[in-house]
Amino acid sequence: DSGVTQTPKHLITATGQRVTLRCSPRSGDLSVYWYQQSLDQGLQFLIQYYNGEERAKGNILERFSAQQFPDLHSELNLSSLELGDSALYFCASSTPKTGLDADTQYFGPGTRLTVL
Amino acid sequence: GEDVEQSLFLSVREGDSSVINCTYTDSSSTYLYWYKQEPGAGLQLLTYIFSNMDMKQDQRLTVLLNKKDKHLSLRIADTQTGDSAIYFCAEIHAGNMLTFGGGTRLMVKP
Repeated sequence: DSGVTQTPKHLITATGQRVTLRCSPRSGDLSVYWYQQSLDQGLQFLIQYYNGEERAKGNILERFSAQQFPDLHSELNLSSLELGDSALYFCASSTPKTGLDADTQYFGPGTRLTVL
Repeated sequence: GEDVEQSLFLSVREGDSSVINCTYTDSSSTYLYWYKQEPGAGLQLLTYIFSNMDMKQDQRLTVLLNKKDKHLSLRIADTQTGDSAIYFCAEIHAGNMLTFGGGTRLMVKP
């Protein structure tokens, strides 16, 4: 158990709909990352938040947005869903370290989204 | 193609050593990681190596880094059936984003 929690575990919805995925980071971690894992694209970085502020953006579609709240949990909002958005969405968290310690990302169990 | 490349599949017999290889492209990566994903599960961090090291050992796991060739390998000694999974190598970029390889599916035969 990494200490990162994600809800829901599974989500089935229809095209055109909007969903919200939720992530709670490990206790004390300030950074939250979202990744998408799909069969054709593999594992891709979407977005990072640090202490409530957006820090880095990857291959995130304009239909997708995220935020990090004062209690450090994060939500990923996916709208106007398409069949191709079906994937496993992972959240990871970390705390910046100094020196030789790695800023290691610990992953949650993921939310499997199926768009029908 | 992907920035980080791995072979797709590896099959070994129980008790043998497994070696999973990875090539990466960003010479400025400070850390390189190995993650394990079992069926239906999330990504479990196995180990990582700092870019100024060439080897790191952690129990049955040995990571070798050849920075000149941008080649990373993960050796699993005495491979067990419970090691069957997909193994991902990843490099870290500015902004702390991880770039993953496509994953190597390890199958361990009893």
